[in-house]
Amino acid sequence: AQKVTQAQTEISVVEKEDVTLDCVYETRDTTYYLFWYKQPPSGELVFLIRRNSFDEQNEISGRYSWNFQKSTSSFNFTITASQVVDSAVYFCALGPDSWGKFQFGAGTQVVVTP
Amino acid sequence: DAMVIQNPRYQVTQFGKPVTLSCSQTLNHNVMYWYQQKSSQAPKLLFHYYDKDFNNEADTPDNFQSRRPNTSFCFLDIRSPGLGDAAMYLCATSKGQGEHEQFFGPGTRLTVL
Repeated sequence: AQKVTQAQTEISVVEKEDVTLDCVYETRDTTYYLFWYKQPPSGELVFLIRRNSFDEQNEISGRYSWNFQKSTSSFNFTITASQVVDSAVYFCALGPDSWGKFQFGAGTQVVVTP
Repeated sequence: DAMVIQNPRYQVTQFGKPVTLSCSQTLNHNVMYWYQQKSSQAPKLLFHYYDKDFNNEADTPDNFQSRRPNTSFCFLDIRSPGLGDAAMYLCATSKGQGEHEQFFGPGTRLTVL
């Protein structure tokens, strides 16, 4: 069975601080996909990134960066120089399994205060 | 802009009164999903369609049904809503076939009185 663990329930930072969100996954599949989604207070989940299991390159997109390490089954997400607009719940997800299902982590609430 | 649209955004119903939530997409994606999300929880998959192939999650109550009459539309029917069904219902789509990222609609907030 697939499993995603986001151990951090909530992270509070002051604007301009960096914040790293941890994601640890479990799967027996050799081919799989990992994702990060952002859910702001408005409620709509927004896709941020997809990473394939065979591509361990880290990625940077503006203030966002992702560190994928198969050796530790982790796919961590860093927001550099955080802003108030980054306040949201961030979900890490894994899938799809053979049934087409995705496993979401419990989510990490990020609170950025001015 | 291509998008996922959900109607209504807010739905209030009475205990036991059937309700239908709708989702439409202009992305021409093969896969459509329905999730239920309760406060401070992760989205929980109810069903998904790969084209017309319907996949029901084992723990989705029989009270929940779904229809996908064509590529663009998908409906969630709750036959007899209970108080425990009050939640945000999220529709999502994906291309499938190696491009599995999901694009979500804004959700329908269901209140059961």
